Amino acid sequence: NAGVTQTPKFQVLKTGQSMTLQCAQDMNHNSMYWYRQDPGMGLRLIYYSASEGTTDKGEVPNGYNVSRLNKREFSLRLESAAPSQTSVYFCASSGGAGNQPQHFGDGTRLSIL
Amino acid sequence: LAKTTQPISMDSYEGQEVNITCSHNNIATNDYITWYQQFPSQGPRFIIQGYKTKVTNEVASLFIPADRKSSTLSLPRVSLSDTAVYYCLVGDEGNTGKLIFGQGTTLQVKP
Repeated sequence: NAGVTQTPKFQVLKTGQSMTLQCAQDMNHNSMYWYRQDPGMGLRLIYYSASEGTTDKGEVPNGYNVSRLNKREFSLRLESAAPSQTSVYFCASSGGAGNQPQHFGDGTRLSIL
Repeated sequence: LAKTTQPISMDSYEGQEVNITCSHNNIATNDYITWYQQFPSQGPRFIIQGYKTKVTNEVASLFIPADRKSSTLSLPRVSLSDTAVYYCLVGDEGNTGKLIFGQGTTLQVKP
């Protein structure tokens, strides 16, 4: 059971470079989410997709773009990476309604120099 | 989304029962209460969810009083491997599953 798969697991970028983080889920979930987690902090929602074909901003969307490619895949793009975007990025999916828990991937550790 | 308040940290010893209380005074009628556990270098993992009274599974119990303004996660006989951050979340927005995580409670289990 793969669940939520994120690639890559680690990445180092230089300031100004672009990067796409990939996320795929095999649970036939409607909703998908991207979070970032800075050291010692809770998760903050960047973008989410309530269903295929829709995306919406979360708490901290600036500097990011997303694409819900199909029901399975939800990618996060940094167009021009900045050191402030150094973080651990988590993708999650859920059935969509409030009583359905989110399932998380193992994260992508991103460092921007 | 209802705001939640929980202790920043707690210490316990192996074999003890640990109770973590979360306050959510503005919980809405349709909101569920959900707890997640996060180990270092891993994504959060769903532990338990409830709406009212008591819910129990193989990992934990969740106690919710009648007014639903608080909830208590109970971990029976903790072990060192239960050392983690525990997050209490309430509800979602627009039935999208959108959740807002707080800082959580860091539980340190000592031998």
